Amino acid sequence: EVQLVESGGGLVKPGGSLRLSCAASGFPFSTYDMNWVRQAPGKGLEWVSCISTNSRYIYYADSVKGRFTISRDNAENSLYLQMNSLRAEDTSVYYCVRGGNGIPIRSSWFDPWGQGTLVTVSS
Amino acid sequence: QSVLTQPPSASGTPGQRVTISCSGSSSNIGTNTVNWYQQLPGTAPKVLIYSNNQRPSGVPDRISGSKSGTSASLAISGLQPADEADYYCAAWDDSLNELMFGGGTKVIVL
Repeated sequence: EVQLVESGGGLVKPGGSLRLSCAASGFPFSTYDMNWVRQAPGKGLEWVSCISTNSRYIYYADSVKGRFTISRDNAENSLYLQMNSLRAEDTSVYYCVRGGNGIPIRSSWFDPWGQGTLVTVSS
Repeated sequence: QSVLTQPPSASGTPGQRVTISCSGSSSNIGTNTVNWYQQLPGTAPKVLIYSNNQRPSGVPDRISGSKSGTSASLAISGLQPADEADYYCAAWDDSLNELMFGGGTKVIVL
């Protein structure tokens, strides 16, 4: 069974940092692009970042560029999101999402999604 | 305001057909494929339609997707109470180099 399990969420003060992790299992992790997608309370979905299989290609939403860093460890089947300079508007559930396998990102889709981890930025 | 525009809500009675639109531009829907996601209350989203009109295994054929020019649509036939959920379209935008989601449409079964 394909599984994505996020961890690392919590309460952090504005300006603080947090590192999210996603443990993947049930599929050949190193052959899939991976993504982070977030959802603020009561709001819609917002794509955050994507990383290609070998970390060669990385993309960020403009709203997090320069503050967040996506990375992966294929040996550990893990995806990460380092979040710095956090703001109140970063408060969201963060989902780890599998992307494409040998498909250009512009043509791929997200399946499956993890259960999400809540990040709350508040003083 | 989202780059991809969806109506905030759509409704129908059981058995009816509901259609959700997703309007974009030449840099996103006009060039790239569209995917649709369903989010049931309190759960993570799941893919409903990929590559404009493809259904993953397990999605019934009363669910369909289409794309024409810079717009896409999701149709749900034979509406059921279990279809009450939020639905999101998504497409890569070549100008922004970002994946864009529509604002989401809440489907209400009356």
